[in-house]
Amino acid sequence: KQEVTQIPAALSVPEGENLVLNCSFTDSAIYNLQWFRQDPGKGLTSLLLIQSSQREQTSGRLNASLDKSSGRSTLYIAASQPGDSATYLCAVPSSGGYQKVTFGTGTKLQVIP
Amino acid sequence: SAVISQKPSRDICQRGTSLTIQCQVDSQVTMMFWYRQQPGQSLTLIATANQGSEATYESGFVIDKFPISRPNLTFSTLTVSNMSPEDSSIYLCSVRLNEQFFGPGTRLTVL
Repeated sequence: KQEVTQIPAALSVPEGENLVLNCSFTDSAIYNLQWFRQDPGKGLTSLLLIQSSQREQTSGRLNASLDKSSGRSTLYIAASQPGDSATYLCAVPSSGGYQKVTFGTGTKLQVIP
Repeated sequence: SAVISQKPSRDICQRGTSLTIQCQVDSQVTMMFWYRQQPGQSLTLIATANQGSEATYESGFVIDKFPISRPNLTFSTLTVSNMSPEDSSIYLCSVRLNEQFFGPGTRLTVL
């Protein structure tokens, strides 16, 4: 059974700081890994999708890396802004099923102006 | 990509009643997924809905409590039956193409 853990659970940083969010998964036989953002009381917005054959993906100030062998992914946010404040979730397909996805526990980010 | 809408966006319900949540996708998809997110928690998959067949429920979720309909390839409903305060959650509809897409969620509060 796939298990996904995110560290830290919460993070508070001053505006402008670069930061890294971590995601660990137990079954390295994954198809891909996806990072989401969730604002309070809202649905999930997809940020980045990394295929299993890729090592990283970039979108604007966001960079996600993937190391399948060690079961880890990181989300790097450059020059953080107050608008980045949200909960960030990583998700990987569950073992034995491409369609079923296991979500991490989330990192709640607060960027202080 | 896929654009997903859900109705209602939020509701406050009395204990013992039922609520049906609707999910509409702008493209035809084989599978639709229903998730629950309890306060302060991550997402938990309730069931997978295939068009023309019974939904597949995850451990801990049963059809009598969460009946699902999937009448066509773009629409699904989830009913939360005989509600109790423990059912207060955000319910999310999702589809998976190459990546996963989510609806805006339905925020349910049960008094």
